[in-house]
Amino acid sequence: EAQVTQNPRYLITVTGKKLTVTCSQNMNHEYMSWYRQDPGLGLRQIYYSMNVEVTDKGDVPEGYKVSRKEKRNFPLILESPSPNQTSLYFCASSSPHNPGGTYNEQFFGPGTRLTVL
Amino acid sequence: DAKTTQPPSMDCAEGRAANLPCNHSTISGNEYVYWYRQIHSQGPQYIIHGLKNNETNEMASLIITEDRKSSTLILPHATLRDTAVYYCIVAANTGNQFYFGTGTSLTVIP
Repeated sequence: EAQVTQNPRYLITVTGKKLTVTCSQNMNHEYMSWYRQDPGLGLRQIYYSMNVEVTDKGDVPEGYKVSRKEKRNFPLILESPSPNQTSLYFCASSSPHNPGGTYNEQFFGPGTRLTVL
Repeated sequence: DAKTTQPPSMDCAEGRAANLPCNHSTISGNEYVYWYRQIHSQGPQYIIHGLKNNETNEMASLIITEDRKSSTLILPHATLRDTAVYYCIVAANTGNQFYFGTGTSLTVIP
């Protein structure tokens, strides 16, 4: 089954404790992206990656890092989490090479709900 | 910043057509119009996209005005499962930043 998976789905942590949220897709997609969703603010893009070893900042990259060493994985790293990073996080992937496809027909993961105390 | 304007909420009777409007008056020539929806707190789901022509798929129809400054997503026979937040997004097919905005919360009423 074609899918985007995220782990963990729920996480409660404390300020300053480094954490990684993993994202993996099995569709051989070149493009992957991370978003956060907060009440009243909609979804905002954190980072995106056009392909392996190619990453770029989205709308709200501060406090986050990403890496793209393999095509299927795109982990989101919070080196020193703070309470303002409490949010619902989504990973997405896409490929412009599917018939009729564009970068922006994205498949989304189920989300990771992060609470930073 | 989001390049689109959508009403914050709408209601639709079950079985009727739901017409969701979107204004994108600053759209550029190379930008597409995309529609997604998000049911409760699940991951957003792609619905449809278009550049200039009207488009239809198994989920919905997309009507884009001739000047491309606005569009309408049509769900022809809304069901209770169509209750969701619908996002209208304009973006070029470059893979660059993709702005969701806050969308329209559609409630389908029995």
